[in-house]
Amino acid sequence: AQTVTQSQPEMSVQEAETVTLSCTYDTSESNYYLFWYKQPPSRQMILVIRQEAYKQQNATENRFSVNFQKAAKSFSLKISDSQLGDTAMYFCAFRGGSGANSKLTFGKGITLSVRP
Amino acid sequence: KAGVTQTPRYLIKTRGQQVTLSCSPISGHRSVSWYQQTPGQGLQFLFEYFSETQRNKGNFPGRFSGRQFSNSRSEMNVSTLELGDSALYLCASSPRTSGDTQYFGPGTRLTVL
Repeated sequence: AQTVTQSQPEMSVQEAETVTLSCTYDTSESNYYLFWYKQPPSRQMILVIRQEAYKQQNATENRFSVNFQKAAKSFSLKISDSQLGDTAMYFCAFRGGSGANSKLTFGKGITLSVRP
Repeated sequence: KAGVTQTPRYLIKTRGQQVTLSCSPISGHRSVSWYQQTPGQGLQFLFEYFSETQRNKGNFPGRFSGRQFSNSRSEMNVSTLELGDSALYLCASSPRTSGDTQYFGPGTRLTVL
């Protein structure tokens, strides 16, 4: 079974600064997908970024980038130039390549607060 | 394209009742998954449907069931509600199953009294 661990329950960052959110996972699969989702307070869960395990290049979406270390099974999210609107709960998620492992397995999430 | 929609958005029920939640996926998406979100347990997978067939099922009791229609819309049903079923129920859709990004709806907030 897959597991996803987010060990930091809360983080705080000053507006315009950079913050890194950590995530580790465990799997025996070689083909899988990793995601970071953002859930603002009382609002909808939205996709931040996606990484395919077979791609060596780290995914980037504007101010958001990941550091994907496949051997270490680590998938951290870096948010540059933090904005007040980045305040949210962030979930790291794993999705296997096929069959019973194709469901999303989530970490417990981290609450990020951006201070003005 | 319109996003994933879920109805109703809020629901209050009493113990022992049953409830049906509805999810309409993004147009063209054939896979629908359901998740339960609670403060204590986090996000837990309930089941996934693809082309009207249940492809995957989480570790929930048989009181939780679902189905998918030919237009890809999905419903989940919880019978004999318990206090512990109070949660945010999220629906997510994707074009296919394995590997595709799942896009989430706003959720249905169920409160069981």
